[in-house]
Amino acid sequence: KQEVTQIPAALSVPEGENLVLNCSFTDSAIYNLQWFRQDPGKGLTSLLLIQSSQREQTSGRLNASLDKSSGRSTLYIAASQPGDSATYLCAVNGNQFYFGTGTSLTVIP
Amino acid sequence: GAVVSQHPSWVICKSGTSVKIECRSLDFQATTMFWYRQFPKQSLMLMATSNEGSKATYEQGVEKDKFLINHASLTLSTLTVTSAHPEDSSFYICSAIQGLSTYNEQFFGPGTRLTVL
Repeated sequence: KQEVTQIPAALSVPEGENLVLNCSFTDSAIYNLQWFRQDPGKGLTSLLLIQSSQREQTSGRLNASLDKSSGRSTLYIAASQPGDSATYLCAVNGNQFYFGTGTSLTVIP
Repeated sequence: GAVVSQHPSWVICKSGTSVKIECRSLDFQATTMFWYRQFPKQSLMLMATSNEGSKATYEQGVEKDKFLINHASLTLSTLTVTSAHPEDSSFYICSAIQGLSTYNEQFFGPGTRLTVL
């Protein structure tokens, strides 16, 4: 069974810092990987989708990379802002969709 | 982008009653929809895969007779929690795939918070 782990579980940074969130998965036989943002009590907002054949995707200040062979993905957030505070989830799509444990990010003004 | 809605956004019910949650794809047809539940401070757990016109596929440990899923059209799937109990209180989120391939991006609804008294 696929296991998806995110490190760190929580992260607090001052505004303006660049940061990296990590996601690891045990089964490299995936079709794609998605990064989501979830605000407290809310649903999920899709941030980036990386197909298994791709190495990275970029959207604004966000950059996600995928190393399928090593079972790792990173989400890079540049110049963090207080509005980036949320829980970030990665999910891998293999035979089904498996979610990671999440990283709770707090950006301090 | 593709939009998925859920109704209601929150519901409070008495123990023993049944609650129906709707998931709609507003601007695309969704052959496949998924239902997840999320407990406080935990990640999402897939409950079942809903396919239009056929029976849903439930994950191990999910009672199909308790969580009834109906996917009667290409834009609507419903989840009915039957004889709800306090332990069923959770955040229920649906998602839908645009197109036929499960490789495609999933679009998520805003979630429904269920509280069973």
